[in-house]
Amino acid sequence: EPEVTQTPSHQVTQMGQEVILRCVPISNHLYFYWYRQILGQKVEFLVSFYNNEISEKSEIFDDQFSVERPDGSNFTLKIRSTKLEDSAMYFCASSEARRLTNYTFGSGTRLTVV
Amino acid sequence: AQTVTQSQPEMSVQEAETVTLSCTYDTSESDYYLFWYKQPPSRQMILVIRQEAYKQQNATENRFSVNFQKAAKSFSLKISDSQLGDAAMYFCAYRSLSNFGNEKLTFGTGTRLTIIP
Repeated sequence: EPEVTQTPSHQVTQMGQEVILRCVPISNHLYFYWYRQILGQKVEFLVSFYNNEISEKSEIFDDQFSVERPDGSNFTLKIRSTKLEDSAMYFCASSEARRLTNYTFGSGTRLTVV
Repeated sequence: AQTVTQSQPEMSVQEAETVTLSCTYDTSESDYYLFWYKQPPSRQMILVIRQEAYKQQNATENRFSVNFQKAAKSFSLKISDSQLGDAAMYFCAYRSLSNFGNEKLTFGTGTRLTIIP
C-alpha cells in the first residue's frame, strides 16, 4: 500500500536554529498538509497546500514557518528560528481528491528543540 | 469553525469485552466526513474507520463499528472483542468539504484506551 514518507524520524536542534522537515507524499495525491502534535495534546492543523500554493493556514503557522514543494515530489516544512515550544511531533499528510477518502498520514518527525 | 469533543480522556476495558468511545462535533455543514484514528505509542496515526455524512448506514470495519447520529452530531466508536493490541490513544476527527483545496482535519483531544488482560 502506498505510503507517505517523512524524514528524519527524530531531529534534535538548538533553539534559534533552522530546521527542514521533509515529506514525500503519495505520488498521485494532490493535496498536502502539515499537522503538529505537542506531547500529550491533540493533533493540530498547520497548513494545507494545493496547486503549488498554500490554501489555508492556521494561527500557529506564523512567519517562522514556510512550506514548499521544490521538485514535484518532496513537500517540506521549514521552521526558521526554532523555539522551545516548537518541540512536537510533526505529521505530513496527503490526499488524492476531495471526494475520495484516501487521506494518509506519514509516520511523523519528532522535533526536539534544546 | 468546527469543533470536535471527546469527553472521555481515559477508558479501560477487559480483554474480549466491548467498549464504546464517545465523540460529538459541532458544525453548520451538511456534507462532511468523520474519522477515528488510532495512535499507538509509536505515535503513528492509523486510520481505524471513516463515515461519510451523507450515508445513513453506519460504517463497520471488522471489530470496529460506529454509531453515527447526524442530527445529534454524535459519532461513537465501538470496539468489539477488545484485544491487547487495541491499547492506544484514539482520536475522533472531522473533515470539512466546504473549502475547495483544503480538506483539513479537526481533531478531538483523544481518549486513551487501556486493555486489561
